[in-house]
Amino acid sequence: KAGVTQTPRYLIKTRGQQVTLSCSPISGHRSVSWYQQTPGQGLQFLFEYFSETQRNKGNFPGRFSGRQFSNSRSEMNVSTLELGDSALYLCASTTGTDEKLFFGSGTQLSVL
Amino acid sequence: AQKITQTQPGMFVQEKEAVTLDCTYDTSDPSYGLFWYKQPSSGEMIFLIYQGSYDQQNATEGRYSLNFQKARKSANLVISASQLGDSAMYFCAMRRYTGNQFYFGTGTSLTVIP
Repeated sequence: KAGVTQTPRYLIKTRGQQVTLSCSPISGHRSVSWYQQTPGQGLQFLFEYFSETQRNKGNFPGRFSGRQFSNSRSEMNVSTLELGDSALYLCASTTGTDEKLFFGSGTQLSVL
Repeated sequence: AQKITQTQPGMFVQEKEAVTLDCTYDTSDPSYGLFWYKQPSSGEMIFLIYQGSYDQQNATEGRYSLNFQKARKSANLVISASQLGDSAMYFCAMRRYTGNQFYFGTGTSLTVIP
């Protein structure tokens, strides 16, 4: 069974631009969560989608948004990028009833 | 509010020795799950072990065991017979059952010395 796939692996953007990150969950998993990891703040929850609906949302500004498609693939969008958005963005999937999260390798976003 | 505390920023252990990574948590939820993840330099978070708050016995997964002390709100990870490949960041996490949201500690960097 393929794992959680995140694309792209690395991304370089400039301030003010927008970016879209993609996540394909493990087959059969209906819940997709996104986390931001920075050296200063650690791992912080962004949001979770289940069956195309946002089920939980963390404490991030509205510039961070996401969506989930009918095949459970998810995208995360960040508009008007700021230097502080530089981070590793991790996607994780689960069946929705399983206990553990399965993570992808992440997208390393650098904002210049 | 939920909070996970890992007080050891960095740890060193000799190869083949055992090591304990500390984790304490704070929650008022009656039911929750506790997890440990390993993050090597490649970035991927790898699940190691899970403990439910109502589980009577401590969880074990191969060389990993979780020392769960509910009254003290601690969930320490014990790695037996350390290997060089165990060198990585280790994160303690808690999942609330009221929502599929995980709270992570700040991590402990483990270095295994040959």
